[in-house]
This record gives sequence, C-alpha cells and structure tokens, in this order.
Amino acid sequence: DAGVTQSPTHLIKTRGQHVTLRCSPISGHKSVSWYQQVLGQGPQFIFQYYEKEERGRGNFPDRFSARQFPNYSSELNVNALLLGDSALYLCASSSPLAGVYNEQFFGPGTRLTVL
Amino acid sequence: AQKITQTQPGMFVQEKEAVTLDCTYDTSDPSYGLFWYKQPSSGEMIFLIYQGSYDQQNATEGRYSLNFQKARKSANLVISASQLGDSAMYFCAMRESTSNYGGSQGNLIFGKGTKLSVKP
Repeated sequence: DAGVTQSPTHLIKTRGQHVTLRCSPISGHKSVSWYQQVLGQGPQFIFQYYEKEERGRGNFPDRFSARQFPNYSSELNVNALLLGDSALYLCASSSPLAGVYNEQFFGPGTRLTVL
Repeated sequence: AQKITQTQPGMFVQEKEAVTLDCTYDTSDPSYGLFWYKQPSSGEMIFLIYQGSYDQQNATEGRYSLNFQKARKSANLVISASQLGDSAMYFCAMRESTSNYGGSQGNLIFGKGTKLSVKP
C-alpha cells in the first residue's frame, strides 16, 4: 500500500504570495494532520482534520487555512507568505481508532522556501 | 512551559555501542502516549516506538527500547548496537488524551530533537 504522499516536494515562493500544499493519506485513514518544521526545530502542529471537519488548530495565524476533501485528501493554504514561513511542511495520517495510541504516519514533506 | 524537553542537541556514539537519548515531558493528563520518531536527512518522520502512560512494562522494538520513568516524567530512548544508518535526528513526542476529539486522535507535541551521529 502507498504511504502518505505530499506534493510538491519543493517549492520556492516570494513574500506576499500564496501557496497550496497537498496531501493524500494512506488508504482507509480518515484523519490528516499538518505540521510545520522550521530548520533546527521539532514539528509544530498546525491543523487536524477528521471526516472533513477541523478537529484541532495550533497557534498559527489566520493566514494558514486547510480543508479536507471527501476522499480524505487535504490541502494546506498559506496566504501573504512571510520569510518565516520557510519550513518543511509535514502531513500525517492516522486510522480512525480512538485512544492515545494511534501511530501517525508521516509523508515526506514539502520544503517551502520564501524569498 | 515546554511540554517535551530534549536536552541533548547532539550526541556521538561509536558503531555497535548503545546510546541513550533523553526526553522529559510535562503533562497533567493521566492518560497520554509517548512516541519516538527518527528523521533522516530526507525529512520523513519514521515511527520507532510507543509507550502508553498506563503501560506497566517498558516498550521495546528490536534494537529500540524506551526507559519509562513515570514519576520522573522521563521517557528515554535506548538504541542498542548502533549502526551507521542510525545517524539522524531523533524526536520525542507526546499525545495527551485531552486533545482527542470524538473518534479522532489529538495532535503530537514534539521536542526540539537530538542529532545522533554514529562513528565508524
């Protein structure tokens, strides 16, 4: 089975532009989470979607938005890009089991550079 | 306050030796899970091992074991018989049950990571 896929792999944008990152979860997984990993730091939680509804939001400005589609794929949108948005954006999916133990499977990430 | 603290920015270990990567956590939730992930230079996060707050025994997965000391709120990763391919960033993460919502699981909170370098 295919793992979590993300596109594009790399992206270069300039300040003020808009960007859309895409994620396809593992087949059968209904939950998708987005994380931002700035160089030298651990990933920071941005959003979680489950059954097409937002179920969690991290401490990020409103320039960040996301959505989940009926096939459970997801998009992360960032408006008015800032230099500080340069990071690796990771998508993770998990199966619909409840409980604290539920492994999140991560994709390879999208490396965004803002110039 | 940081919820996950990894105090070792970088560690060196000789090939075939064991190494311990430190992780302390902070939570008031009685039900939580602790995870360790490996991140090679390619960027993908690879799940290594999990420990639940109610688990009586320390988790083990092949060469990885988790030294869980609940009273001290520590969850150190032990890698035995280090291999050159173990060179990577290692992240400790926690999920609290209070972050769960209905049938979905809450987000992971990550530490800043430890860069492990294995010397031949």
